[in-house]
Amino acid sequence: DIAMTQSPDSVVVSLGERATINCKSSQSILYRSNNKNYLAWYQQKPGQPPKLLIYWASARESGVPDRFSGSGSGTDFTLTISSLQAEDVALYSCQQYYTTPLTFGGGTKVEIK
Amino acid sequence: QLQLQESGPGLVKPSETLSLTCTVSGGSISDTYYWGWIRQPPGKGLEWIGTIYYSGSTYYNPSLKSRVTISIDTSKKHFSLKVSSVTAADTAVYYCARRRIVGRTPVAFDIWGQGTMVTVSS
Repeated sequence: DIAMTQSPDSVVVSLGERATINCKSSQSILYRSNNKNYLAWYQQKPGQPPKLLIYWASARESGVPDRFSGSGSGTDFTLTISSLQAEDVALYSCQQYYTTPLTFGGGTKVEIK
Repeated sequence: QLQLQESGPGLVKPSETLSLTCTVSGGSISDTYYWGWIRQPPGKGLEWIGTIYYSGSTYYNPSLKSRVTISIDTSKKHFSLKVSSVTAADTAVYYCARRRIVGRTPVAFDIWGQGTMVTVSS
């Protein structure tokens, strides 16, 4: 199985500041034939289901604000919230879809300072 | 727009079978998508249980494979999950979700149900 490890477990950021979340896979999830990284990011607010933010490591889902961006390749990935808003308080999880079993990171909680 | 809704008992006794159904509305279940089940134990991360293609092909997490069955009924626009021989470790919020296909590649889960809490307890 591909293990997904997120860091930190939580991040506390002031409104308007940048929040950065890291995700590391135990093996490369870059598919060489199409040069795509098989990684997604989700946002989950309390009592709600996950919401897809990013797929292919950096492709923003329709309707997602452009303050959310994904980067990275191979085994190391980052989700950046460029200017944190109050509504961004949530749990963020990465997921690899390179192979089954599909696996998720443990999640990073984003809070406001 | 397409919506998913889980239904089923919220309380299951140990050693019994957990059964849930996900009803698809506002769109077709027969389109070329994968349909999946994911669970989240209280205070923990997400765990993929398994996925079914609209044609009926199934893919299961090996950690659960011996106890899990996913089926689909396109005429009733729903797909179902059964987990046998449950224990307290199966207590979780269970989500159904649609897995998007881009080109011919299944990618992320783009539409989720609200989730249903299932507690395993006598």
